[in-house]
Amino acid sequence: GNSVTQMEGPVTLSEEAFLTINCTYTATGYPSLFWYVQYPGEGLQLLLKATKADDKGSNKGFEATYRKETTSFHLEKGSVQVSDSAVYFCALFNTGRRALTFGSGTRLQVQP
Amino acid sequence: DVKVTQSSRYLVKRTGEKVFLECVQDMDHENMFWYRQDPGLGLRLIYFSYDVKMKEKGDIPEGYSVSREKKERFSLILESASTNQTSMYLCASSYSGSRDEQFFGPGTRLTVL
Repeated sequence: GNSVTQMEGPVTLSEEAFLTINCTYTATGYPSLFWYVQYPGEGLQLLLKATKADDKGSNKGFEATYRKETTSFHLEKGSVQVSDSAVYFCALFNTGRRALTFGSGTRLQVQP
Repeated sequence: DVKVTQSSRYLVKRTGEKVFLECVQDMDHENMFWYRQDPGLGLRLIYFSYDVKMKEKGDIPEGYSVSREKKERFSLILESASTNQTSMYLCASSYSGSRDEQFFGPGTRLTVL
């Protein structure tokens, strides 16, 4: 079946540090891939997505590239801010079941 | 902006009680979803619905049921609450033509004593 694996958290960084959160997936076919973010006390919101191999999704300084050869969709940001502190979820869209499959989430803590 | 609202932010119930969690969306979305969120497990799909009066089981439907009598409202029902149903419950909705981009409510933290 489909699955998404994310790196364990929490990830603690200083402001302006470089961020990488790893995400790998297992799926049949060519799923669309997503990063969702959950700020404290809020629901999830879509951060970025990519729908085919080699696509790069980007938003708010975050980027992720759909790598079919390594089945990965790692999230990166060049310079994090305190306001980026949140839980980040990697997900894929299961076209067969027409639903999202989420990873376990990675908590990011950015210190001033 | 799309808005998904959930009836309660926090809820405390006793074992054996019947519990209703309500979700309403205001953007005429066809698709609606219920997830539970637990530390280390991410979000797991309980039930989803693609139209009024239609429902499909997700990954963990046991102990839950749903109701969708109107397009904008999707209810999650715990027929007899148990302590292992203590969790954060998230509702989401999406357009028929874009099922993959989901819009989430703020969540209901349910504690079953």
